[in-house]
Amino acid sequence: DAKTTQPPSMDCAEGRAANLPCNHSTISGNEYVYWYRQIHSQGPQYIIHGLKNNETNEMASLIITEDRKSSTLILPHATLRDTAVYYCIAVISSGSARQLTFGSGTQLTVLP
Amino acid sequence: DTAVSQTPKYLVTQMGNDKSIKCEQNLGHDTMYWYKQDSKKFLKIMFSYNNKELIINETVPNRFSPKSPDKAHLNLHINSLELGDSAVYFCASSQERQFTQYFGPGTRLLVL
Repeated sequence: DAKTTQPPSMDCAEGRAANLPCNHSTISGNEYVYWYRQIHSQGPQYIIHGLKNNETNEMASLIITEDRKSSTLILPHATLRDTAVYYCIAVISSGSARQLTFGSGTQLTVLP
Repeated sequence: DTAVSQTPKYLVTQMGNDKSIKCEQNLGHDTMYWYKQDSKKFLKIMFSYNNKELIINETVPNRFSPKSPDKAHLNLHINSLELGDSAVYFCASSQERQFTQYFGPGTRLLVL
């Protein structure tokens, strides 16, 4: 799986959009980008994933650059409850070693 | 209507003891996982079971033995507990080894 790089921490004002970047410059053509978050003391929570196209669901939007070397997770209207560690993970969709490898993520703090 | 549940939530025990952590999912998934999150917050997969068969077994001491009595349960038994086993253990499940995984609330193990 490709290595991903994320800033260790970010702040965002409540009600504003939170844009969390992820660099995956060595990603291969069949690797998906998955985003999870972990709110303090809770289990990780799946947010969204994508391959090439931008994706949107009820939680967030995922913007993947055309060259697929980076992506941005967007929380359109951040609330205090969105304070969490956000993990960007690149995974290959096939093969026997199908597992999630969590890095250190980005600690997002939403400020009132 | 908890999707993935774990018991106990907290476990405090002495070195050398044997303990078990139970996990149950009611999502109808066929794949279950155990992860360990250490004091530095790194989340690492330990085991994965698909249809009651072991498919991922990372470098984990033999003192750790997962047991899957059926597709809805994956228990973790730990023999001869050591100080370094202190961590938060998360159970997760998915359908057909997909990367969209649902995590339990975690079991906080403290070995004294």
